[in-house]
Amino acid sequence: EAGVVQSPRYKIIEKKQPVAFWCNPISGHNTLYWYRQNLGQGPELLIRYENEEAVDDSQLPKDRFSAERLKGVDSTLKIQPAELGDSAVYLCASSLVRGTSGSYEQYFGPGTRLTVT
Amino acid sequence: GENVEQHPSTLSVQEGDSAVIKCTYSDSASNYFPWYKQELGKGPQLIIDIRSNVGEKKDQRIAVTLNKTAKHFSLHITETQPEDSAVYFCAASGPPGTASKLTFGTGTRLQVTL
Repeated sequence: EAGVVQSPRYKIIEKKQPVAFWCNPISGHNTLYWYRQNLGQGPELLIRYENEEAVDDSQLPKDRFSAERLKGVDSTLKIQPAELGDSAVYLCASSLVRGTSGSYEQYFGPGTRLTVT
Repeated sequence: GENVEQHPSTLSVQEGDSAVIKCTYSDSASNYFPWYKQELGKGPQLIIDIRSNVGEKKDQRIAVTLNKTAKHFSLHITETQPEDSAVYFCAASGPPGTASKLTFGTGTRLQVTL
């Protein structure tokens, strides 16, 4: 079974430029997450989707970040314009959530390493 | 919100020895505690998890213990091997209603020396 797929793996851009990351979750997983991982830190949740609906975007800097999950499968995370502080690894994860309580295993992709110069 | 603290930040053990990593969490309503292993240039890999209705879980050389009263949980790796060298993260899931929202610790860099 294929895992979570992300692209690109690496991206270098100048500040103020736009950038987009793509994620394809594990087949059949209804819940998708975007995390940001700064150097030497654990991942921090940016946004969580259940099917097409963004159910938790409280940590997403909405002035410059946007995300979408069309048709409840693939997802795109965009930054426009990028700032120096956005340099980090952007991780996508997915899980199969079957109820309204409790938590479920999350499986991560390899991440996209973003460098803003 | 939930806060997870993880210790130590670095750990060096000799091959064959045991390694223990400890985490504490703040929200008594948290009910799910996974551990992830992250190798250089890769995403976190789920290696074991435990739910609040059990106190211990074991999978071959890896075990996790949970003390709900003290809000502590720990990862135990026995008979360590060089391939166990990586960064390990603990995490805790918030209370029901925020299902699946994981809060991560800051990581432990484990080095297994020959």
